[in-house]
Amino acid sequence: EVQLVESGGGLVQPGGSLKLSCAASGFTFSTSWMSWIRQAPGRGLEWVANIKQDGSEKHYVDSVKGRFTISRDNAENSLYLQMNSLRAEDTAVYYCARPSRSSSSEYWGQGTLVTVSS
Amino acid sequence: DVVMTQSPLSLPVTLGQPASISCRSSQSLVYSDGNTFLNWFQQRPGQSPRRLIYKVSNRDSGVPDRFSGSGSGTDFTLKISRVEAEDVGVYFCMQGTHWPWTFGQGTKVEIK
Repeated sequence: EVQLVESGGGLVQPGGSLKLSCAASGFTFSTSWMSWIRQAPGRGLEWVANIKQDGSEKHYVDSVKGRFTISRDNAENSLYLQMNSLRAEDTAVYYCARPSRSSSSEYWGQGTLVTVSS
Repeated sequence: DVVMTQSPLSLPVTLGQPASISCRSSQSLVYSDGNTFLNWFQQRPGQSPRRLIYKVSNRDSGVPDRFSGSGSGTDFTLKISRVEAEDVGVYFCMQGTHWPWTFGQGTKVEIK
């Protein structure tokens, strides 16, 4: 059974930092692109970042460039999102996902809530 | 960024009746390899999004065949042939052709 379990969310003050983790199981993590997607409360979805299988290629949405860093540890089957200089508008549920553009094997986690507030 | 525009944003439907959601992109979603990476997602209340359709018209595993996708270029449609109570939720289109990948605003499907 495929599982993606996010952790690390919580309440943080504006300007603060937080690191999200995603533990993957049930599929071959090391051969999969991985992603973070977020959803602000009561709002739509935003694809935040992608990382290639070996970590050599990363893509970020403009709103987080220079502040967020996506990374992975294939030995631990884990995905990470380091979030710095957090703003109120970063408040959202953050989902870890294994995207699959061309086959029926795309998986999403249950999400972890990040709240940026003083 | 590619803007994805859905209509309608709210869709009251009668059980057993068909439903249709439109999605338009601000530029062509045809990738350099000829594929069109247009997906449809369902988000039931309190749940994570779940992909229903990928590459315009391919159903994901376990998705009932009452869901179908069609379209090309910049115009796409999700159809539910006969709406069931479990179909209530918000539906999003999403393009995976141009980075950053982007979503439509969502269409809320509810039972009349």
